[in-house]
Amino acid sequence: DGGITQSPKYLFRKEGQNVTLSCEQNLNHDAMYWYRQDPGQGLRLIYYSQIVNDFQKGDIAEGYSVSREKKESFPLTVTSAQKNPTAFYLCASSKLASGATQYFGPGTRLTVL
Amino acid sequence: RKEVEQDPGPFNVPEGATVAFNCTYSNSASQSFFWYRQDCRKEPKLLMSVYSSGNEDGRFTAQLNRASQYISLLIRDSKLSDSATYLCVVNPKSDSWGKLQFGAGTQVVVTP
Repeated sequence: DGGITQSPKYLFRKEGQNVTLSCEQNLNHDAMYWYRQDPGQGLRLIYYSQIVNDFQKGDIAEGYSVSREKKESFPLTVTSAQKNPTAFYLCASSKLASGATQYFGPGTRLTVL
Repeated sequence: RKEVEQDPGPFNVPEGATVAFNCTYSNSASQSFFWYRQDCRKEPKLLMSVYSSGNEDGRFTAQLNRASQYISLLIRDSKLSDSATYLCVVNPKSDSWGKLQFGAGTQVVVTP
């Protein structure tokens, strides 16, 4: 099956801890994205990557870090510097073309205790 | 002003009825438009792209009005399974792959 996987589905973190969310895709897409979704708000872009070993900050990158060592993988680390990390995190991928459809993984729901 | 605005609803629709709702966008240069469907606590899934001439996919019809900068989604013969939040998504640039802009969603509840 082709698609995007995210793990874990649910994650609980204590304040002051860093956590890493996994995102893997086997769609052979060049571009990958991380979004955050909060109740009553649209998805907000955290980081995106168009090619291996390169990535750019989105609109709300503070307190987050990413890496893109492989085309298939784009893990997101939520650091202790992120002030309000409790949210639904969505990873997406797309072909590298203007207006390309983005396909989403099932998401990780992060709760800070 | 938000870049993409939607009426949050909920739109309560009797089964079999028609429902329609709009989404407005602020960037007049926007080139690509999409409707995504998101079920509760799930990921968004592409429902349909929106083309300049308008397009239909089964019971779903999408329209684009560039002059007034809005897109619309109409659902005919609503099914219980149509209950979801519908996200309006806009690609604001034509000269690059573009960073999508997401509306907060319109909730539709289809009742028996």
